Amino acid sequence: GESVGLHLPTLSVQEGDNSIINCAYSNSASDYFIWYKQESGKGPQFIIDIRSNMDKRQGQRVTVLLNKTVKHLSLQIAATQPGDSAVYFCAENAYQGGKLIFGQGTELSVKP
Amino acid sequence: EAQVTQNPRYLITVTGKKLTVTCSQNMNHEYMSWYRQDPGLGLRQIYYSMNVEVTDKGDVPEGYKVSRKEKRNFPLILESPSPNQTSLYFCASTAGLMNTEAFFGQGTRLTVV
Repeated sequence: GESVGLHLPTLSVQEGDNSIINCAYSNSASDYFIWYKQESGKGPQFIIDIRSNMDKRQGQRVTVLLNKTVKHLSLQIAATQPGDSAVYFCAENAYQGGKLIFGQGTELSVKP
Repeated sequence: EAQVTQNPRYLITVTGKKLTVTCSQNMNHEYMSWYRQDPGLGLRQIYYSMNVEVTDKGDVPEGYKVSRKEKRNFPLILESPSPNQTSLYFCASTAGLMNTEAFFGQGTRLTVV
């Protein structure tokens, strides 16, 4: 498969455990913060977003937390499964050009 | 099935030989963009388009061109590729400028020798 980063932070968890992936962002003016998942050999895939006026948002097995005071975003994955193994990117939605500003990514490895 | 299709998936070319990477989406999305992904640098936007005939530079536009003659297609053109353009390229589309859910293609691995 494709190697999307040679110097990525890595997180290794046991199947069934909860995972927490962290991200620091820089642009306080961003209106949305988003998490993407990239599996080997594929393009990034949207997981969940959170608006800047919210602190927490839950999806299916995932929860995103936003701490604007320290500019910190986290993604919590409940009952992590082998299919969750991927690189996870946080992103900001910058209105300038509507572009997504991506973080460096964290590689999650799930041990069976 | 909603999708963004890029071609080719893999390409090896020589310095200076013009190439085009095609991108097509079937979701009637207005907004399309190109990113390159490099180790240690993450994904960076090259060019974007907010609608037909409307394109603009992203963060790393040097050495690239794009066109948007039809809503569904957004090709990336390298007029004179150089080795520093060796990278993994992704096309993405979103329904509108404020949408956060971008749909990405499978990627094009380009090697310029």
